[in-house]
Amino acid sequence: DVKVTQSSRYLVKRTGEKVFLECVQDMDHENMFWYRQDPGLGLRLIYFSYDVKMKEKGDIPEGYSVSREKKERFSLILESASTNQTSMYLCASSLGSSGAFFGQGTRLTVV
Amino acid sequence: DQQVKQNSPSLSVQEGRISILNCDYTNSMFDYFLWYKKYPAEGPTFLISISSIKDKNEDGRFTVFLNKSAKHLSLHIVPSQPGDSAVYFCAASAPHTGTASKLTFGTGTRLQVTL
Repeated sequence: DVKVTQSSRYLVKRTGEKVFLECVQDMDHENMFWYRQDPGLGLRLIYFSYDVKMKEKGDIPEGYSVSREKKERFSLILESASTNQTSMYLCASSLGSSGAFFGQGTRLTVV
Repeated sequence: DQQVKQNSPSLSVQEGRISILNCDYTNSMFDYFLWYKKYPAEGPTFLISISSIKDKNEDGRFTVFLNKSAKHLSLHIVPSQPGDSAVYFCAASAPHTGTASKLTFGTGTRLQVTL
């Protein structure tokens, strides 16, 4: 079974803090993704990566950056957290054009 | 611009009856469609998929139908069970070259299966 693990289930951070969300997958998948889920808006793609050190902007990249130094790990960085970044963050991985496997999610609250 | 639309935010169905969840898309380049199920405080889990070369795919109680001319797909669950109560997301992907095949999601439909 594919396992995608996100480092935290719940996080509370202060406005202006730099926040790191970590994601690790154990199936040697080439593609990794960061989504956020908000009520009424579904899942929106923030950034994705198709190879080590490669990254592409998704639909809502503003205020975020990513890092992929190793194939199994994809990090999402909030440079200066704001209250409108309070959300459920979901990491996913996939192989080629197959469907994506998701982690359990990180509920981030910015106060 | 919402390329994948789920126009019903919620649906309530009695246990044992059929649940039909609908999804429309606008991008004619989409060639692969998936349904995900999500419980609160958990990540989405893959349910069933269909390629654009097919019009139906069945897996146990779950069947997905694709109508390419109408750019419409639907998920049928029969019989519905209380454990099916969750949010269901429709997703689609387009062919890609040189980069990841990314999924575009709808806004979700919350299914409530009542006793």
